[in-house]
Amino acid sequence: QLQLQESGPGLVKPSETLSLTCTVSGGSISSSSYYWGWIRQPPGKGLEWIGSIYYSGSTYYNPSLKSRVTISVDTSKNQFSLKLSSVTAADTAVYYCARPVLRWSRENAFDIWGQGTMVTVSS
Amino acid sequence: EIVLTQSPGTLSLSPGERATLSCRASQSVSSSYLAWYQQKPGQAPRLLIYGASSRATGIPDRFSGSGSGTDFTLTISRLEPEDFAVYYCQQYGSSPLAFGQGTKVEIK
Repeated sequence: QLQLQESGPGLVKPSETLSLTCTVSGGSISSSSYYWGWIRQPPGKGLEWIGSIYYSGSTYYNPSLKSRVTISVDTSKNQFSLKLSSVTAADTAVYYCARPVLRWSRENAFDIWGQGTMVTVSS
Repeated sequence: EIVLTQSPGTLSLSPGERATLSCRASQSVSSSYLAWYQQKPGQAPRLLIYGASSRATGIPDRFSGSGSGTDFTLTISRLEPEDFAVYYCQQYGSSPLAFGQGTKVEIK
């Protein structure tokens, strides 16, 4: 059974870089053909897609965040990671990693989600 | 960029009643690439429907999706106690992927 687990600091200072990792268990990133995704949700608000990455390293970002986002993959560790630079209080949110429904497709719905990790931006 | 508008914002119903949730897109959603999610407090979203009308694995048949173009609907035929939650639509027909603002289904 495929599972995803986010990890990383729960508190980040303004102007610094937020770094999170998603560890995939019960299946291999490198043998799949999915664009693995990051989605976030500010407290009490809706969902925002951040970006996605293919196992080969091809990335696909939300234009609203593209200048600050880097998503990478480490197939040897079965992980993919998110970096968001120059954070502000507006980046405070629960961050989810997720696996999409459709193989090979950048544009996708997501059917398997991590539990989410809360990241607070504060000094 | 496609903007999704969900209505109503809150739906107050009793168990056993039928729930009808709307999702309207600012432009046509390609290939009916529209999904619905359920989210309960403190939990990750759960995929209910993708491709506008296909139920995800393990989703009860009281959940159904319909629509095309710019107008989509999620129907819950008979509300069970566990169905009271927030529901989001998401389009994945074009970039960027986008979610609606959500509809809360609460117990009347």
